[in-house]
Order: sequence, then structure tokens, then C-alpha cells
Amino acid sequence: KQEVTQIPAALSVPEGENLVLNCSFTDSAIYNLQWFRQDPGKGLTSLLLIQSSQREQTSGRLNASLDKSSGRSTLYIAASQPGDSATYLCAVEKGANNLFFGTGTRLTVIP
Amino acid sequence: NAGVTQTPKFRILKIGQSMTLQCTQDMNHNYMYWYRQDPGMGLKLIYYSVGAGITDKGEVPNGYNVSRSTTEDFPLRLELAAPSQTSVYFCASRWTGGNQPQHFGDGTRLSIL
Repeated sequence: KQEVTQIPAALSVPEGENLVLNCSFTDSAIYNLQWFRQDPGKGLTSLLLIQSSQREQTSGRLNASLDKSSGRSTLYIAASQPGDSATYLCAVEKGANNLFFGTGTRLTVIP
Repeated sequence: NAGVTQTPKFRILKIGQSMTLQCTQDMNHNYMYWYRQDPGMGLKLIYYSVGAGITDKGEVPNGYNVSRSTTEDFPLRLELAAPSQTSVYFCASRWTGGNQPQHFGDGTRLSIL
């Protein structure tokens, strides 16, 4: 069974810092990997989706990388802002409609 | 631009009661999903549907039922509520089966007492 782990569980950084969130998964036979953002009391918002044949995806200040062979992905956030404070979830898709989620990293950006 | 709409947002049930969680999407997505999110745990898939009239079990389907009579609606039914079903429930949809992001509703927070 696919296991998805996110470390650390919580992270606090001062505004303006660059930061990296980590995601690891046990089975490298994945269809894609997705990063989501979840604000308190809200649903998940898709940030980036990396197909299994890709190495990275970028959107604005966000960059996600994928290394299938080592079972790892990172989400890089440049020049963090207080508005980036949220929980970030990683999920891997293995086969159709089989999405496995990590437990998330709660990010706090301190003004 | 409503996206995925879930109702109700909050509900308290007594053990043994039944209820239906509603989910509607206005993006004409053919794939829809129900997840539950427990504290400190990742989201787990309950049921999913690849189109009207077609549903299938996910990882944790016991105690739940679904139906998909239209493209827009995908209700989740709890027949005999149990304390273990206390959770936050999320509905999601997407355009195709793969390599497209899922769009989530804001969730239904359900407590069984």
C-alpha cells in the first residue's frame, strides 16, 4: 500500500524567507504527484500537479520537484508571505482514481 | 463561479440516525469523489464516480452509500451513524480521470454523538 509522509508536521518562518516542504512516498509507480493548500475550515486548493514523466512544475513563487526513483518531492516557496500561511498537502495518484494523501505540513509565516 | 458546493457545512447527528451529505458541481466534470479527513490523518477516499450511473468503492466505503443520477450531483448517504464516522467530509470533482487536478468543496463537518 502506498504510504505518503510529510516532514515536518509544522514549520514557522519569518516573512521573506525561502522554504522547502518535503514529501516522500513508498511506491514509485505513480501516475502523478499533486501539491494542495488547505486553509482552516476550507477545502483543498490544487497548487501544482507533476506528471510521472516530469521532473518539476512551477507556478509563480512555487516550484515543485519530483524524483520518482527516490520516492521524494519538494515544494519550494520563494520569498514567503504571511498569506502563504496554511497547511500544505502532498498526494500521489497510483492508478486511476486512487489518490493517497500525506498528513500535511502546517506553515506559519511570521510578519 | 460556484465550483463544488457542499451542504450542510456543519451537522450533529445522534448514533443510529441517517443523513445525506449533498455535493453539486457546475463545471461539467465527469469524475467525482468523496473523502473523509480525520484529525492528524490524510484524506481517505470513500467512494468515487466516473460518470452518471457509475460508482465504485474507495479505501473506506463501509457505512456509506452513494448514487450518481446526474453529472452535477453526487450525494453521500450515512444510513446508521456511528461515532467512528465523526469527521470532515470533502467532495471533489475533476474533468478527466488522470493528470487533471481535483477541485474540492469546503467540506461538511459531521459529529456523531
